[in-house]
Amino acid sequence: GAGVSQSPSNKVTEKGKDVELRCDPISGHTALYWYRQSLGQGLEFLIYFQGNSAPDKSGLPSDRFSAERTGGSVSTLTIQRTQQEDSAVYLCASSFSATNGYTFGSGTRLTVV
Amino acid sequence: DAKTTQPPSMDCAEGRAANLPCNHSTISGNEYVYWYRQIHSQGPQYIIHGLKNNETNEMASLIITEDRKSSTLILPHATLRDTAVYYCIFHNAGGTSYGKLTFGQGTILTVHP
Repeated sequence: GAGVSQSPSNKVTEKGKDVELRCDPISGHTALYWYRQSLGQGLEFLIYFQGNSAPDKSGLPSDRFSAERTGGSVSTLTIQRTQQEDSAVYLCASSFSATNGYTFGSGTRLTVV
Repeated sequence: DAKTTQPPSMDCAEGRAANLPCNHSTISGNEYVYWYRQIHSQGPQYIIHGLKNNETNEMASLIITEDRKSSTLILPHATLRDTAVYYCIFHNAGGTSYGKLTFGQGTILTVHP
Protein backbone atom coordinates (compact mmCIF):
# COMPACT_ATOMS: atom_id res chain seq x y z
CA GLY A 1 0.00 0.00 0.00
CA ALA A 2 0.88 3.64 -0.05
CA GLY A 3 1.57 3.87 3.65
CA VAL A 4 1.86 1.91 6.87
CA SER A 5 -1.51 0.53 7.84
CA GLN A 6 -2.46 -0.33 11.41
CA SER A 7 -5.56 -2.05 12.68
CA PRO A 8 -7.72 -1.62 14.56
CA SER A 9 -7.52 2.14 14.84
CA ASN A 10 -9.22 2.00 18.21
CA LYS A 11 -9.55 -0.84 20.68
CA VAL A 12 -11.30 -0.88 24.03
CA THR A 13 -10.72 -3.99 26.08
CA GLU A 14 -11.40 -5.19 29.58
CA LYS A 15 -8.57 -5.59 32.04
CA GLY A 16 -7.16 -9.10 31.88
CA LYS A 17 -8.10 -9.77 28.25
CA ASP A 18 -5.58 -10.38 25.46
CA VAL A 19 -5.33 -8.06 22.47
CA GLU A 20 -3.64 -8.27 19.09
CA LEU A 21 -2.53 -5.21 17.17
CA ARG A 22 -1.67 -5.48 13.50
CA CYS A 23 0.77 -3.58 11.32
CA ASP A 24 1.04 -3.73 7.53
CA PRO A 25 4.29 -2.02 6.52
CA ILE A 26 5.09 -0.46 3.18
CA SER A 27 5.84 -3.15 0.64
CA GLY A 28 9.56 -3.80 0.39
CA HIS A 29 10.43 -2.20 3.72
CA THR A 30 12.58 -4.69 5.59
CA ALA A 31 12.80 -2.81 8.89
CA LEU A 32 9.75 -2.57 11.16
CA TYR A 33 9.42 -0.89 14.53
CA TRP A 34 6.83 -0.77 17.27
CA TYR A 35 6.57 2.24 19.58
CA ARG A 36 3.96 3.33 22.08
CA GLN A 37 2.93 6.74 23.26
CA SER A 38 1.04 7.30 26.47
CA LEU A 39 -1.16 10.38 26.81
CA GLY A 40 0.98 13.50 26.82
CA GLN A 41 4.21 11.51 26.76
CA GLY A 42 6.96 10.92 24.26
CA LEU A 43 7.45 7.87 22.08
CA GLU A 44 8.72 4.72 23.78
CA PHE A 45 10.55 2.12 21.69
CA LEU A 46 9.24 -1.42 22.04
CA ILE A 47 10.78 -3.73 19.43
CA TYR A 48 12.55 -3.76 16.08
CA PHE A 49 12.35 -6.30 13.25
CA GLN A 50 14.79 -6.81 10.41
CA GLY A 51 13.00 -9.18 8.09
CA ASN A 52 11.32 -11.74 10.32
CA SER A 53 13.86 -11.63 13.12
CA ALA A 54 13.85 -9.25 16.07
CA PRO A 55 17.41 -8.20 16.95
CA ASP A 56 16.20 -5.74 19.56
CA LYS A 57 13.34 -6.53 21.93
CA SER A 58 14.73 -4.40 24.71
CA GLY A 59 11.77 -2.07 24.90
CA LEU A 60 9.08 -4.64 25.60
CA PRO A 61 7.86 -3.68 29.09
CA SER A 62 7.12 -7.18 30.37
CA ASP A 63 6.68 -10.78 29.28
CA ARG A 64 3.01 -10.03 28.67
CA PHE A 65 4.14 -8.28 25.49
CA SER A 66 5.25 -10.20 22.41
CA ALA A 67 5.50 -9.53 18.72
CA GLU A 68 6.07 -11.49 15.58
CA ARG A 69 6.53 -10.78 11.94
CA THR A 70 5.80 -13.22 9.14
CA GLY A 71 6.89 -13.24 5.51
CA GLY A 72 8.96 -10.14 6.10
CA SER A 73 5.74 -8.17 6.01
CA VAL A 74 2.85 -8.10 8.47
CA SER A 75 3.62 -7.79 12.17
CA THR A 76 1.41 -8.51 15.15
CA LEU A 77 1.94 -7.10 18.63
CA THR A 78 0.20 -9.16 21.30
CA ILE A 79 -0.51 -8.01 24.82
CA GLN A 80 -1.67 -10.69 27.22
CA ARG A 81 -3.67 -10.06 30.38
CA THR A 82 -3.94 -6.36 29.65
CA GLN A 83 -3.57 -3.86 32.47
CA GLN A 84 -4.77 -0.27 32.68
CA GLU A 85 -1.21 1.01 32.34
CA ASP A 86 -1.09 -0.59 28.90
CA SER A 87 -3.48 2.10 27.66
CA ALA A 88 -1.64 4.09 25.00
CA VAL A 89 -1.35 4.68 21.28
CA TYR A 90 0.69 1.90 19.71
CA LEU A 91 2.59 3.08 16.64
CA CYS A 92 4.22 1.00 13.95
CA ALA A 93 6.88 2.31 11.55
CA SER A 94 8.71 0.77 8.62
CA SER A 95 11.81 1.67 6.70
CA PHE A 96 13.72 0.47 3.67
CA SER A 97 16.95 0.54 5.64
CA ALA A 98 18.32 1.75 8.96
CA THR A 99 19.55 5.00 7.41
CA ASN A 100 16.37 5.91 5.59
CA GLY A 101 13.55 7.87 7.19
CA TYR A 102 10.80 5.86 8.81
CA THR A 103 7.17 5.98 7.81
CA PHE A 104 4.80 5.73 10.74
CA GLY A 105 1.25 4.47 10.72
CA SER A 106 -1.60 6.33 12.38
CA GLY A 107 -1.48 4.04 15.38
CA THR A 108 -3.88 1.93 17.39
CA ARG A 109 -5.40 3.66 20.39
CA LEU A 110 -5.73 1.00 23.10
CA THR A 111 -7.90 1.68 26.12
CA VAL A 112 -8.00 -0.86 28.94
CA VAL A 113 -11.00 -0.46 31.21
CA ASP B 1 20.85 6.75 24.64
CA ALA B 2 21.69 9.58 22.27
CA LYS B 3 20.45 12.90 23.63
CA THR B 4 19.52 16.13 21.95
CA THR B 5 18.55 19.49 23.40
CA GLN B 6 15.70 21.47 21.89
CA PRO B 7 13.75 24.47 23.14
CA PRO B 8 10.42 23.30 24.55
CA SER B 9 8.37 25.72 22.45
CA MET B 10 8.59 28.29 19.67
CA ASP B 11 6.21 30.61 17.84
CA CYS B 12 6.25 31.64 14.22
CA ALA B 13 4.09 33.92 12.10
CA GLU B 14 2.38 32.36 9.12
CA GLY B 15 4.38 32.86 5.93
CA ARG B 16 7.64 33.49 7.75
CA ALA B 17 10.54 31.07 8.05
CA ALA B 18 10.60 28.86 11.11
CA ASN B 19 14.10 28.02 12.34
CA LEU B 20 14.17 25.20 14.88
CA PRO B 21 17.49 24.65 16.65
CA CYS B 22 18.88 21.44 18.07
CA ASN B 23 22.03 20.73 20.04
CA HIS B 24 23.63 17.31 19.77
CA SER B 25 27.08 17.87 21.21
CA THR B 26 27.71 14.15 21.87
CA ILE B 27 27.10 13.10 18.28
CA SER B 28 29.79 10.87 16.82
CA GLY B 29 31.13 10.76 13.30
CA ASN B 30 28.87 8.08 11.89
CA GLU B 31 25.61 9.21 13.43
CA TYR B 32 22.92 10.83 11.35
CA VAL B 33 20.67 13.72 12.40
CA TYR B 34 16.96 13.12 11.78
CA TRP B 35 13.98 15.42 12.11
CA TYR B 36 10.42 14.25 12.56
CA ARG B 37 7.24 16.06 13.47
CA GLN B 38 4.03 14.94 15.09
CA ILE B 39 0.79 16.71 14.48
CA HIS B 40 -1.84 16.19 17.16
CA SER B 41 -3.36 12.70 17.17
CA GLN B 42 -1.23 11.51 14.26
CA GLY B 43 1.86 9.31 13.98
CA PRO B 44 5.23 11.03 13.58
CA GLN B 45 6.12 12.19 10.09
CA TYR B 46 9.64 12.00 8.71
CA ILE B 47 10.94 15.37 7.51
CA ILE B 48 14.60 15.17 6.63
CA HIS B 49 17.94 13.71 7.70
CA GLY B 50 21.62 14.35 7.12
CA LEU B 51 25.12 13.34 8.12
CA LYS B 52 27.50 16.21 7.35
CA ASN B 53 26.22 18.25 4.45
CA ASN B 54 23.26 20.57 4.45
CA GLU B 55 20.16 18.96 3.00
CA THR B 56 17.02 20.28 1.34
CA ASN B 57 13.82 18.59 0.25
CA GLU B 58 10.30 19.64 -0.56
CA MET B 59 9.43 20.04 3.11
CA ALA B 60 12.42 21.70 4.72
CA SER B 61 16.12 22.44 4.84
CA LEU B 62 18.59 21.05 7.33
CA ILE B 63 21.66 23.03 8.26
CA ILE B 64 24.36 21.11 10.16
CA THR B 65 27.26 23.00 11.69
CA GLU B 66 30.76 22.09 10.62
CA ASP B 67 31.55 20.48 13.98
CA ARG B 68 28.19 18.64 13.75
CA LYS B 69 27.32 19.54 17.34
CA SER B 70 24.17 21.38 16.36
CA SER B 71 21.70 21.72 13.54
CA THR B 72 18.77 23.87 12.46
CA LEU B 73 15.62 22.78 10.71
CA ILE B 74 14.22 25.49 8.47
CA LEU B 75 10.63 25.59 7.27
CA PRO B 76 10.91 28.36 4.68
CA HIS B 77 7.29 29.53 4.62
CA ALA B 78 5.46 28.26 7.66
CA THR B 79 1.73 27.59 7.43
CA LEU B 80 -0.84 26.92 10.11
CA ARG B 81 -0.64 23.22 9.22
CA ASP B 82 3.00 23.20 10.32
CA THR B 83 1.92 23.56 13.95
CA ALA B 84 3.29 20.37 15.54
CA VAL B 85 5.88 18.89 17.87
CA TYR B 86 9.25 18.72 16.11
CA TYR B 87 11.74 16.07 17.15
CA CYS B 88 15.49 16.17 16.51
CA ILE B 89 17.11 12.76 16.85
CA PHE B 90 20.50 11.31 16.09
CA HIS B 91 21.58 7.71 15.97
CA ASN B 92 24.12 5.32 14.59
CA ALA B 93 22.46 3.44 11.80
CA GLY B 94 24.92 0.58 12.09
CA GLY B 95 26.26 -1.39 15.01
CA THR B 96 23.78 -2.63 17.56
CA SER B 97 21.36 0.28 17.46
CA TYR B 98 19.71 -1.10 14.33
CA GLY B 99 18.31 2.31 13.52
CA LYS B 100 16.32 2.53 16.74
CA LEU B 101 15.22 6.12 17.25
CA THR B 102 15.11 7.62 20.73
CA PHE B 103 12.59 10.45 20.82
CA GLY B 104 13.03 13.29 23.30
CA GLN B 105 10.43 15.88 24.24
CA GLY B 106 10.83 17.93 21.06
CA THR B 107 9.86 21.53 20.31
CA ILE B 108 6.23 22.55 20.15
CA LEU B 109 6.04 24.91 17.15
CA THR B 110 2.96 27.09 17.01
CA VAL B 111 2.33 28.94 13.75
CA HIS B 112 -0.07 31.83 14.21
CA PRO B 113 -1.91 33.96 11.65
